[in-house]
Amino acid sequence: DIQMTQSPSSLSASVGDRVTITCRASQSISSSLNWYQQKPGKAPKLLIYVASSLQSGVPSRFSGSGSGTDFTLTISSLQPEDFATYYCQQSYSNPRTFGQGTKLEIK
Amino acid sequence: EVQLVESGGGLVQPGGSLRLSCAASGFTFSNYDMHWVRQAPGKGLEYVSTISANGDRTYYANSVKGRFTISRDNSKNTLYLQMGSLRPEDIAVYYCARGPFDYWGQGTLVTVSS
Repeated sequence: DIQMTQSPSSLSASVGDRVTITCRASQSISSSLNWYQQKPGKAPKLLIYVASSLQSGVPSRFSGSGSGTDFTLTISSLQPEDFATYYCQQSYSNPRTFGQGTKLEIK
Repeated sequence: EVQLVESGGGLVQPGGSLRLSCAASGFTFSNYDMHWVRQAPGKGLEYVSTISANGDRTYYANSVKGRFTISRDNSKNTLYLQMGSLRPEDIAVYYCARGPFDYWGQGTLVTVSS
């Protein structure tokens, strides 16, 4: 199985900050990488697919990059509604493993 | 509007069985692979299983292989997860998701306890 490792596990930031979350795959997954946002008590929401494509309706302050084994999610200017937990997931092969999550908290 | 509505969760004893359902609407169900993903209380997301659009291929996480069975009824627009030999470590909210993981249900809670 492909292992996905996110860093950091948690992050404190302020409104307006630029934030980057990293995801590393244990083997090359080409660009088969999704990013999700999850708020407490809610289902995950797809933000980015195939590493850099913005899902419909997602604000343009979210962006993704990377290929192969290393990927990043960037939020260009944090808004209050962005404080949540973020997960990466590889869609290259089954099982479609997730990273352990990054909790983004208000500083 | 795409909707996925899970049901069937509840309390079951260790070693017991439970069947989850996911009713789909607002899209052509038979065109999409479907998935189950779970989340234990306070923990991260864990992939559980996938079934192809016509049901001929299935995939499972190692943690549930041999105990859980995914299936679908395209005539009823419904996805299922038959869970057996349930363990305390299976306690989680179970979500169904559409093929590209672009739509998710609200989840159904499974609790395993005596």
